[in-house]
Amino acid sequence: DVKVTQSSRYLVKRTGEKVFLECVQDMDHENMFWYRQDPGLGLRLIYFSYDVKMKEKGDIPEGYSVSREKKERFSLILESASTNQTSMYLCASSLYRGGEQYFGPGTRLTVT
Amino acid sequence: GDSVTQMEGPVTLSEEAFLTINCTYTATGYPSLFWYVQYPGEGLQLLLKATKADDKGSNKGFEATYRKETTSFHLEKGSVQVSDSAVYFCALSPPGAGNNRKLIWGLGTSLAVNP
Repeated sequence: DVKVTQSSRYLVKRTGEKVFLECVQDMDHENMFWYRQDPGLGLRLIYFSYDVKMKEKGDIPEGYSVSREKKERFSLILESASTNQTSMYLCASSLYRGGEQYFGPGTRLTVT
Repeated sequence: GDSVTQMEGPVTLSEEAFLTINCTYTATGYPSLFWYVQYPGEGLQLLLKATKADDKGSNKGFEATYRKETTSFHLEKGSVQVSDSAVYFCALSPPGAGNNRKLIWGLGTSLAVNP
């Protein structure tokens, strides 16, 4: 079974802090994704990556950056956290572009 | 552009009731279609999928048929259980080769099943 793990289930940070969310997958998938999930807004894609060191902006990249130095690891970075970034963050991976995605358990981030 | 529309929730049913969650899509060509489920406090899990017209995906008693003529992929289950309480997401993968084959997501439908 594909396993996608995320570094924290719950995280509380202060406004202005730099925040790192880590995601690791164990199935050698090429593609990795970061989403945020908010009530009434569904899943919104922040960034995705189709290869090591390669990244593409999703629908809402503002205020975020990403890093993919190794194939299995995809990090989401909030350079200066703000209260409107309080959300559930979901990482996913897929073997094929456009194929089914496998999700981690999510990180619920609260910025105070 | 491509889009997915799901029926709004929440949907509340009694145990053993019949479930339908509607999903319609807009896309050129023949997209692949997916249903995902998110149980409380968890990430999303693939529930079923269909990759071509008239395909029926099925899993855990859930079914959905890819209907090209009505551009629909409605999720059904004959007898729901309390353990089916979750949020259900419909998604599509646009057809054709390309660099940005992201999934297009519906907003999700919350289902609550009462004993």
